[in-house]
Amino acid sequence: DAGITQSPRHKVTETGTPVTLRCHQTENHRYMYWYRQDPGHGLRLIHYSYGVKDTDKGEVSDGYSVSRSKTEDFLLTLESATSSQTSVYFCAITPGLAGGHEQFFGPGTRLTVL
Amino acid sequence: GQQVMQIPQYQHVQEGEDFTTYCNSSTTLSNIQWYKQRPGGHPVFLIQLVKSGEVKKQKRLTFQFGEAKKNSSLHITATQTTDVGTYFCAGADTGTASKLTFGTGTRLQVTL
Repeated sequence: DAGITQSPRHKVTETGTPVTLRCHQTENHRYMYWYRQDPGHGLRLIHYSYGVKDTDKGEVSDGYSVSRSKTEDFLLTLESATSSQTSVYFCAITPGLAGGHEQFFGPGTRLTVL
Repeated sequence: GQQVMQIPQYQHVQEGEDFTTYCNSSTTLSNIQWYKQRPGGHPVFLIQLVKSGEVKKQKRLTFQFGEAKKNSSLHITATQTTDVGTYFCAGADTGTASKLTFGTGTRLQVTL
């Protein structure tokens, strides 16, 4: 699956604690994305990156920050987790081959905030 | 901002029946993509449509992009139990081809 891994795969945490999710890719793709998936909402973009240290906000970025200090890693941080951030988080990459913009997704991280 | 609506939310068919899901965008799209997500899995890319009026087929799946590049459809002929899952469309606004807005998805259930 395009060499994308996410860690941890499952996490339970308490309200107010910081949480960092990691997305790692092995193929040096430029574009990386973080989504959250909730029932009835499909996939919503949180943040994305178009290169090392180049990131931008998506439609649901409040309460989240990201960092990309290396091409292969894209970190998503919840500075102070809230119950509304209980969700499944997917990382994705775009290889951008031959003008295509298809995205390939990691296996997801299921986060529960108590 | 851009909105992508998808209908129906859920459809239950018997194996062998056809299935169609529709996707409508509030803005003109540069491209539209379709993804399938099996229960408990991650979204998997199916196809990308770029041209106005484009039609593409993958075995029993037929994808269409509207003339105005604001709507799309996925039609499955003679469904099989392996088609079970949620189908998402995802549209890219003109000028932001790598940033997608996903529809809410159509969950397909197929029974024998």
